Amino acid sequence: DQQVKQNSPSLSVQEGRISILNCDYTNSMFDYFLWYKKYPAEGPTFLISISSIKDKNEDGRFTVFLNKSAKHLSLHIVPSQPGDSAVYFCAASANNDYKLSFGAGTTVTVRA
Amino acid sequence: SQTIHQWPATLVQPVGSPLSLECTVEGTSNPNLYWYRQAAGRGLQLLFYSVGIGQISSEVPQNLSASRPQDRQFILSSKKLLLSDSGFYLCAWDRAPPLFGQGTRLTVV
Repeated sequence: DQQVKQNSPSLSVQEGRISILNCDYTNSMFDYFLWYKKYPAEGPTFLISISSIKDKNEDGRFTVFLNKSAKHLSLHIVPSQPGDSAVYFCAASANNDYKLSFGAGTTVTVRA
Repeated sequence: SQTIHQWPATLVQPVGSPLSLECTVEGTSNPNLYWYRQAAGRGLQLLFYSVGIGQISSEVPQNLSASRPQDRQFILSSKKLLLSDSGFYLCAWDRAPPLFGQGTRLTVV
């Protein structure tokens, strides 16, 4: 049972524009959410996270928004750069442990 | 420095052969360690986690097993590989935020 869903398998965006990646979850016990970036044949690297007590967290070009009532979070990348082309995974955990549930990923392609 | 190492990077194994993937962490003690698998076109699925030496919890039934022989060592094994075991295997450590190894691409042929 997929508890974290990324319904858009791919996203193409022009360099300099905003990339918006979406993620939905079903488990109301999730209280910590993370975004990871992954290049082919490499392990995922941490990008940004948000606790359920917040609705927004910003780090440079990356902002994550959390809507708990809708069980939805999104990642905004502004401005998008060619190096942002990768697969982005949304992940969630509950009860202060790091047994992460992952979405299937969204492949972002930034066009020059 | 705190690092996580995983090897080998790629592996091609015949059906029915054994498997051993190793993961080690440096710069910490008593870490919680995890094995994940990414099947083709899917997200990462948690397979095993360990909170200490000899302590293994399995999240999904499968043809694989895990062991924690030392504090900073986590091993993923199989006695006889199946075609369905192919995938990208990742070791992770719950340093906040969780840190992943470079992964092992396993192809069972």
